[in-house]
Amino acid sequence: GAGVSQTPSNKVTEKGKYVELRCDPISGHTALYWYRQSLGQGPEFLIYFQGTGAADDSGLPNDRFFAVRPEGSVSTLKIQRTERGDSAVYLCASSLDRGRNEQFFGPGTRLTVL
Amino acid sequence: AQKVTQAQTEISVVEKEDVTLDCVYETRDTTYYLFWYKQPPSGELVFLIRRNSFDEQNEISGRYSWNFQKSTSSFNFTITASQVVDSAVYFCALSSGSARQLTFGSGTQLTVLP
Repeated sequence: GAGVSQTPSNKVTEKGKYVELRCDPISGHTALYWYRQSLGQGPEFLIYFQGTGAADDSGLPNDRFFAVRPEGSVSTLKIQRTERGDSAVYLCASSLDRGRNEQFFGPGTRLTVL
Repeated sequence: AQKVTQAQTEISVVEKEDVTLDCVYETRDTTYYLFWYKQPPSGELVFLIRRNSFDEQNEISGRYSWNFQKSTSSFNFTITASQVVDSAVYFCALSSGSARQLTFGSGTQLTVLP
């Protein structure tokens, strides 16, 4: 079966630009997570969706970051006025939301802000 | 607050050697879940195991085994008879209390030499 997919796989942008990163979770998974991974570090939590609503957005670093999941499936992470410090791999994961199930990760989007 | 510490940044072994990856966690919650993920050079995180705080039974899966000890807040991972294909970064992660997201350690880079 299909796993979590993310597009684009790579995104290069200039400082100050707006970017959108897309995540398509495993079919039937109601929980969706975004993480950010910097070089040599473990993933850091950004936001968690249960269905269409953001259940926990405590990891978003500032108001330049925003995410939506309008139909409870595909999610888009939006970053406004990108800064060089936003450069990282953005990972999406999904899980069945029964108890504390394992999260299945996508391949990530590598964002480079020049 | 929850925290995961993987003190070993890099480990290098020769094929067929056994290797243990250490993980120490911190949480004030009595209910929590521990995970191990593998991140091969391709970059995609692969789920290996999940344990909950009420089940201290050690687990073995093929060449992999996990030792969960609440008394020392540790969840160590042993690979027996390592193979070159085991070379990857391994992450230990924690999910505790009402939080669904994972808190990751900084990872251990394992290199298995032929």
